[in-house]
Amino acid sequence: DAGVIQSPRHEVTEMGQEVTLRCKPISGHDYLFWYRQTMMRGLELLIYFNNNVPIDDSGMPEDRFSAKMPNASFSTLKIQPSEPRDSAVYFCASLTGVVNEQFFGPGTRLTVL
Amino acid sequence: AQSVTQPDIHITVSEGASLELRCNYSYGATPYLFWYVQSPGQGLQLLLKYFSGDTLVQGIKGFEAEFKRSQSSFNLRKPSVHWSDAAEYFCAVGGYGGSQGNLIFGKGTKLSVKP
Repeated sequence: DAGVIQSPRHEVTEMGQEVTLRCKPISGHDYLFWYRQTMMRGLELLIYFNNNVPIDDSGMPEDRFSAKMPNASFSTLKIQPSEPRDSAVYFCASLTGVVNEQFFGPGTRLTVL
Repeated sequence: AQSVTQPDIHITVSEGASLELRCNYSYGATPYLFWYVQSPGQGLQLLLKYFSGDTLVQGIKGFEAEFKRSQSSFNLRKPSVHWSDAAEYFCAVGGYGGSQGNLIFGKGTKLSVKP
């Protein structure tokens, strides 16, 4: 398996633009997590899905952030409109409840100018 | 409140020296504990995990960790550090199964290795 795949790896955009981050979990994994990593706040869970259904989105910072999982092999995290304080590395991770080990993707480094 | 504390932000050790990274946790239920490593520009890789049983767990790359319930600690150790171990290390706590599998991470400890 190729592991968790995230795209793009780097994104530079201007304030006010819409940003879409993508994630393909490991095949067979039924949980998907989105994290944000910043120097100030460390790793924060934004939202997670089970069988494509959002379970806990309490970590989503505000209404500008939204996440979807239309099928078992794809998820998106969208920021609209983006702001400079959204600059961070965004990680996607997946797991199967049987093993309870999260596998992380390489991350998307977002810079909002 | 559930939390993970890694008291050392940055540690420098000489190559070949021993290493111990500290981790303390607060968790309301039976904790499942993890150590992850992150190299610059990379995602997180699992080093080892503790679910139950023997409180001394072995991981990859020669790392081990010991769970001490009485001290709410899960410290990571390595007897002899290699230059390639320079990275950031994260301790995390979670519950069992995906519904509780959302991990709570510590702020990380950055490890530098002197030649």
